[in-house]
Amino acid sequence: GNSVTQMEGPVTLSEEAFLTINCTYTATGYPSLFWYVQYPGEGLQLLLKATKADDKGSNKGFEATYRKETTSFHLEKGSVQVSDSAVYFCALSDGGNQFYFGTGTSLTVIP
Amino acid sequence: EAGVAQSPRYKIIEKRQSVAFWCNPISGHATLYWYQQILGQGPKLLIQFQNNGVVDDSQLPKDRFSAERLKGVDSTLKIQPAKLEDSAVYLCASSFQGMTYNEQFFGPGTRLTVL
Repeated sequence: GNSVTQMEGPVTLSEEAFLTINCTYTATGYPSLFWYVQYPGEGLQLLLKATKADDKGSNKGFEATYRKETTSFHLEKGSVQVSDSAVYFCALSDGGNQFYFGTGTSLTVIP
Repeated sequence: EAGVAQSPRYKIIEKRQSVAFWCNPISGHATLYWYQQILGQGPKLLIQFQNNGVVDDSQLPKDRFSAERLKGVDSTLKIQPAKLEDSAVYLCASSFQGMTYNEQFFGPGTRLTVL
């Protein structure tokens, strides 16, 4: 079946540090991959997406590349800010409207 | 463009009481989802509607949970009677049918506390 595995948190970084949050997936067929972000007290917001192998999604300085050979979609940012503190969810869609979410990784950025 | 609306934002009830949540999706979005997000976990799909029909309710605890979308627009999710383990954030999301990757747009959620 379909599933997503994220690195466990919480993650604490200093401002301007490099961020990597690992995500691997199991899926049949050719899923689309997503990163969603959840700021405190808010709903999930789409951060970036990739719909086919080797696609790179990017937004707000975050990037993730769809790697079919390693079934991965790791989230990266070169220099984090305090405002990036949130919970990050990796997710996949098998094209049938069904979404599968990881358990989330909490990020805290300290000044 | 208005986003997905949910109400109430917070609800505290005692176990065995009933509670209802309301969701209004983005205009024109045919697909509506209800998720349960327990603290420290990712969202879990409870039920998916396509217009006013149920597409998937395999993870909905039907002995106590019910949901409807009578006119194919807004939706209500009800819990009757509530249990302690129902304490969670209930998220509503919608998507526009026909997009290749069916991006889902989420509401702010309703945080339910069952005492």
